[in-house]
Amino acid sequence: SAVISQKPSRDICQRGTSLTIQCQVDSQVTMMFWYRQQPGQSLTLIATANQGSEATYESGFVIDKFPISRPNLTFSTLTVSNMSPEDSSIYLCSVGKGKNIQYFGAGTRLSVL
Amino acid sequence: RKEVEQDPGPFNVPEGATVAFNCTYSNSASQSFFWYRQDCRKEPKLLMSVYSSGNEDGRFTAQLNRASQYISLLIRDSKLSDSATYLCVVNLDKFYFGSGTKLNVKP
Repeated sequence: SAVISQKPSRDICQRGTSLTIQCQVDSQVTMMFWYRQQPGQSLTLIATANQGSEATYESGFVIDKFPISRPNLTFSTLTVSNMSPEDSSIYLCSVGKGKNIQYFGAGTRLSVL
Repeated sequence: RKEVEQDPGPFNVPEGATVAFNCTYSNSASQSFFWYRQDCRKEPKLLMSVYSSGNEDGRFTAQLNRASQYISLLIRDSKLSDSATYLCVVNLDKFYFGSGTKLNVKP
């Protein structure tokens, strides 16, 4: 398994500002993932964070809006840029380990006013 | 068409009941399958992997039917603590999450 520390756990932000979410894993992992979960909805993959290369973004998500860093095998950040109320959501990081199993951080609950 | 489809529920059952959830997936090339549990305002947590031969973990039994492309989860002797949303997850080129089935176990 994996122990994942994600912070902040929640934040309330003003529109037009940016928030950086951090994700720290207790062991080295190749793949880290960032998801968004709207209230009552399932998880939507934003991007896959690869160490040593640029993140791979899913359709509908762009680097300018959601820049990602992956400086080493235990850490990644996701920035939500130029926020609007539509960005209010839960953001989750996860890592893949073992037999394609994903383990999740506790999530960041973001509200944009 | 969604990659993974689940009945959203809610399933409202009394303690001790047996309840079953189904999930269908669209791509026959899907490689691995899981059930995750998500409590309110918490992150998803792995409940069990699903194998072609079926697998059981205590009160929980998961089955995979590749021919019909569906996955099932059976919960026997439901407990109040089983109340949660159950997510069906399929791995192909990436992980695809169902929208979840909400279970409420009542005293």
